[in-house]
Amino acid sequence: DAGVIQSPRHEVTEMGQEVTLRCKPISGHDYLFWYRQTMMRGLELLIYFNNNVPIDDSGMPEDRFSAKMPNASFSTLKIQPSEPRDSAVYFCASSPVGGGYEQYFGPGTRLTVT
Amino acid sequence: QQQVKQSPQSLIVQKGGISIINCAYENTAFDYFPWYQQFPGKGPALLIAIRPDVSEKKEGRFTISFNKSAKQFSLHIMDSQPGDSATYFCAARGSNYQLIWGAGTKLIIKP
Repeated sequence: DAGVIQSPRHEVTEMGQEVTLRCKPISGHDYLFWYRQTMMRGLELLIYFNNNVPIDDSGMPEDRFSAKMPNASFSTLKIQPSEPRDSAVYFCASSPVGGGYEQYFGPGTRLTVT
Repeated sequence: QQQVKQSPQSLIVQKGGISIINCAYENTAFDYFPWYQQFPGKGPALLIAIRPDVSEKKEGRFTISFNKSAKQFSLHIMDSQPGDSATYFCAARGSNYQLIWGAGTKLIIKP
């Protein structure tokens, strides 16, 4: 298996632009998690899905952030409009059936908003 | 109650020494305690994990010690090697399947 796939790996954009991050979980995993990592705040859970349904989005910073999972093999995290404080590494992780005992992380997307 | 407190923030150990990272929690409903290892430019990866009905788990040079009454658990790395230099995160799983993460410890092993 290729593991969790994220794209793009790096994104540089200007303030006010829309940013879309993409994730392909490991096949057969039914939990998908979006995290944000910064030096100041560490690893923060933004939202997670079970069987493509959002379960808890209480970690989403504000309405500028949205996430979708249209099918079991694809999820997006969108920021519109982006701001410099959104600069971070965004990770997607997936877990197999039965819950988040082991979360398999993707390589991350490093987002820089100028 | 949902926090996991991790210490130290950073740690420097000589090659061959023992590295010890500590975590504490408040919520007694947590049922699974993993440690993740993260190398620069990579996502975290599961290193070792323990359930609260076990006091110790060992995998190679890595050992988790778990003290349920004190609500503390720790990671011990024996014979630390330069390749162990990474950031280590402890975590705890709640009833909603979310992992509550510690702040991370940056470990440097000096050759």
